[in-house]
Amino acid sequence: DAKTTQPNSMESNEEEPVHLPCNHSTISGTDYIHWYRQLPSQGPEYVIHGLTSNVNNRMASLAIAEDRKSSTLILHRATLRDAAVYYCILRATGNQFYFGTGTSLTVIP
Amino acid sequence: EAGVAQSPRYKIIEKRQSVAFWCNPISGHATLYWYQQILGQGPKLLIQFQNNGVVDDSQLPKDRFSAERLKGVDSTLKIQPAKLEDSAVYLCASSLEAGTSPEFFGPGTRLTVL
Repeated sequence: DAKTTQPNSMESNEEEPVHLPCNHSTISGTDYIHWYRQLPSQGPEYVIHGLTSNVNNRMASLAIAEDRKSSTLILHRATLRDAAVYYCILRATGNQFYFGTGTSLTVIP
Repeated sequence: EAGVAQSPRYKIIEKRQSVAFWCNPISGHATLYWYQQILGQGPKLLIQFQNNGVVDDSQLPKDRFSAERLKGVDSTLKIQPAKLEDSAVYLCASSLEAGTSPEFFGPGTRLTVL
């Protein structure tokens, strides 16, 4: 199964944009790119997902490289409530998620 | 819309005892998952149900763990007997369609085995 590589941790100032990178060089054509985040003492929360095209929703934007070997989750204005562990996950239809250790995002007031 | 419900939220037992966790998924979600999350790690899938049938249980330690999903709705996960290394948060999630639809997670059950 294709795996992802993310930085262990990142910092951002409050109200500034945050770009969380993810490398997935062995992605297959049927893999969807999913992003979840997990706040302390809570279950993971869905953020966004996409296949080939860039995606936007009320929480974030997902920018997918043309070759699909990398993607970036964009939080347009970081707030203190965005401090969490962010997971980038590949998944083909019907297959399971493989969560890695994710990126721990610290938001500095 | 009600989210995924889990109970209990916390459980402390001694090794070799038994324990059971309950999950009620979002109404209409055919796919249900149980994950184990050890402190400092990402969640690991234990078992996946499609309606009341098992789709994937390849990472479930079947000598001590069991799960069922009666009538394709609620699910229970049981550990018998528990070991120290079973201390973790057990997360239940559900989705409309595996792989393409988002998974919605419950708050989890934190299990401590002494």
